[in-house]
Amino acid sequence: GQQVMQIPQYQHVQEGEDFTTYCNSSTTLSNIQWYKQRPGGHPVFLIQLVKSGEVKKQKRLTFQFGEAKKNSSLHITATQTTDVGTYFCAGRRRQLTFGSGTQLTVLP
Amino acid sequence: GAVVSQHPSRVICKSGTSVKIECRSLDFQATTMFWYRQFPKQSLMLMATSNEGSKATYEQGVEKDKFLINHASLTLSTLTVTSAHPEDSSFYICSALGPSGNTIYFGEGSWLTVV
Repeated sequence: GQQVMQIPQYQHVQEGEDFTTYCNSSTTLSNIQWYKQRPGGHPVFLIQLVKSGEVKKQKRLTFQFGEAKKNSSLHITATQTTDVGTYFCAGRRRQLTFGSGTQLTVLP
Repeated sequence: GAVVSQHPSRVICKSGTSVKIECRSLDFQATTMFWYRQFPKQSLMLMATSNEGSKATYEQGVEKDKFLINHASLTLSTLTVTSAHPEDSSFYICSALGPSGNTIYFGEGSWLTVV
């Protein structure tokens, strides 16, 4: 079945450092979505990528969708304490499958 | 911004009973809503996509007779967990596709405990 693997599982960074989380699918995806969930909170939808090689930016966040539409990344430049949370990717082929998430801790 | 409200936030029910969770879009009409399940410290699992006025589309492996979804109006979708068992205990979250069709807004989630 479809699998979406996300790494790393945990990441601790010093405030101001960059952060990247990666998503890899076992199958070609029609689209990929990214979410952020703060500790104790509900998920927040960040973005959806559809096109091969697509790159989208939201302020300090850069999202990429691989050329083969099997991998994606989320990069945060100059992290802030407000970036703390778990970042999930979710890839859609026949069904929407969520990655296991990357838990980001930002040390002040 | 768009607001999605979910009720109840916490519910405890006995094994064998049914429990209903409501998801409302408060300031916009949502033709499409989604239901998810999340176990503690684990990822989300999309259960089904609910479209107003039509049958829900269930993800692979989700029992449609167990998790009944009704989207009878443009602002309300309900999830009914029928004949609940302790293994159904989980955090259930709904979301709605916003007016622009580009953003998904989440409810606050509902903790279900089956005893």
